[in-house]
Amino acid sequence: AQSVTQLDSQVPVFEEAPVELRCNYSSSVSVYLFWYVQYPNQGLQLLLKYLSGSTLVKGINGFEAEFNKSQTSFHLRKPSVHISDTAEYFCAVSDQKSGSRLTFGEGTQLTVNP
Amino acid sequence: GAVVSQHPSRVICKSGTSVKIECRSLDFQATTMFWYRQFPKQSLMLMATSNEGSKATYEQGVEKDKFLINHASLTLSTLTVTSAHPEDSSFYICSARGQLYGYTFGSGTRLTVV
Repeated sequence: AQSVTQLDSQVPVFEEAPVELRCNYSSSVSVYLFWYVQYPNQGLQLLLKYLSGSTLVKGINGFEAEFNKSQTSFHLRKPSVHISDTAEYFCAVSDQKSGSRLTFGEGTQLTVNP
Repeated sequence: GAVVSQHPSRVICKSGTSVKIECRSLDFQATTMFWYRQFPKQSLMLMATSNEGSKATYEQGVEKDKFLINHASLTLSTLTVTSAHPEDSSFYICSARGQLYGYTFGSGTRLTVV
């Protein structure tokens, strides 16, 4: 079984500032890692995913994340945020078996202020 | 890219009636579909996993007679909330997993039972 911990439930930042949303996971097997964004009353949109290979993963909207196996972390970063980045962000993990479920963290509300 | 259509986006129903929510994968075959429930300001809670042509696997604590899941084809899964009560009011999200596209989410259904 896997578990995901998002260390910050809320992250307020000013526009154009850098941001890091933290995610740690626990698993006894190899995993795939994901970050999703959810806007109010909408489904989840994939920002990026780590399956294998380079530990630095670039996603949409200028986001990137780095997989750190030794620290079991997958933190999400953006060098300069916009008001439109205000949303809920979910880190998720699945094991590498076909058809496996996603396990989600509790979410981080990113609020970008002018 | 992969698209999952979820319908309806909002539904209001009377207590005691049943509501059906559809989830369609538009441009890929979904070998597995997942149904989630999300309470306000919370993460997604997996309700059940379904594979085409077989019975759904429900998570512990989810009433399978109340939340009927049908996955009759590789592109369609339905969730029927039977004899709905106000406590069933929630945001329901489906997710489809194909061979190539990973997990793709629908846009969610806001169910309000009055």
